[in-house]
Amino acid sequence: AQSVTQPDARVTVSEGASLQLRCKYSYSGTPYLFWYVQYPRQGLQLLLKYYSGDPVVQGVNGFEAEFSKSNSSFHLRKASVHWSDSAVYFCVLKGPSNTNKVVFGTGTRLQVLP
Amino acid sequence: GALVYQYPRRTICKSGTSMRMECQAVGFQATSVAWYRQSPQKTFELIALSTVNSAIKYEQNFTQEKFPISHPNLSFSSMTVLNAYLEDRGLYLCGVPGLGGRQDTQYFGPGTRLLVL
Repeated sequence: AQSVTQPDARVTVSEGASLQLRCKYSYSGTPYLFWYVQYPRQGLQLLLKYYSGDPVVQGVNGFEAEFSKSNSSFHLRKASVHWSDSAVYFCVLKGPSNTNKVVFGTGTRLQVLP
Repeated sequence: GALVYQYPRRTICKSGTSMRMECQAVGFQATSVAWYRQSPQKTFELIALSTVNSAIKYEQNFTQEKFPISHPNLSFSSMTVLNAYLEDRGLYLCGVPGLGGRQDTQYFGPGTRLLVL
């Protein structure tokens, strides 16, 4: 069965600090992994995605994520956060390409203090 | 950006009434559409997967009798919430894969936020 765990429901950091949001997944095959961001009162926006190859993938707005098969993880990072990064971040897993079903993590609410 | 539209963006309905929400893909083919619900303080749950010319597949806890879906062509899908009650409130997203030929990335509309009074 597929599952995604985001162990931190809330993360608070100061503006300019570095950030890591954790994501662990469970999947028997090779997963497709995504990070989406949900700003207040809005839908989901794609930040970055991993299919294969280089385990470190770059996304928009300075975000990157690192895939680790041995740790079953796909943590999101940013070197220096801005107050506008305050939002809810979802780690998402997708199985084989012949299915369009995705599984969402529970989300991590990020608050950036000015 | 992704060209998936949803309307209405926000709606309020009385308890026991029904409301219909729409999802439209512009500029590409929405062979499949997935409908999700985000209840307050929760993550997104898959309601159903709809594929043109195939049966709609509903997830456990969601039924066609409660959430009938129409997917008549490659650019449009609609879902109705019948007899809405408080537990049906939340943000309803449609997700469409394959924007620009990338079948493995799912792009989402902005959502329809349902409030039930």
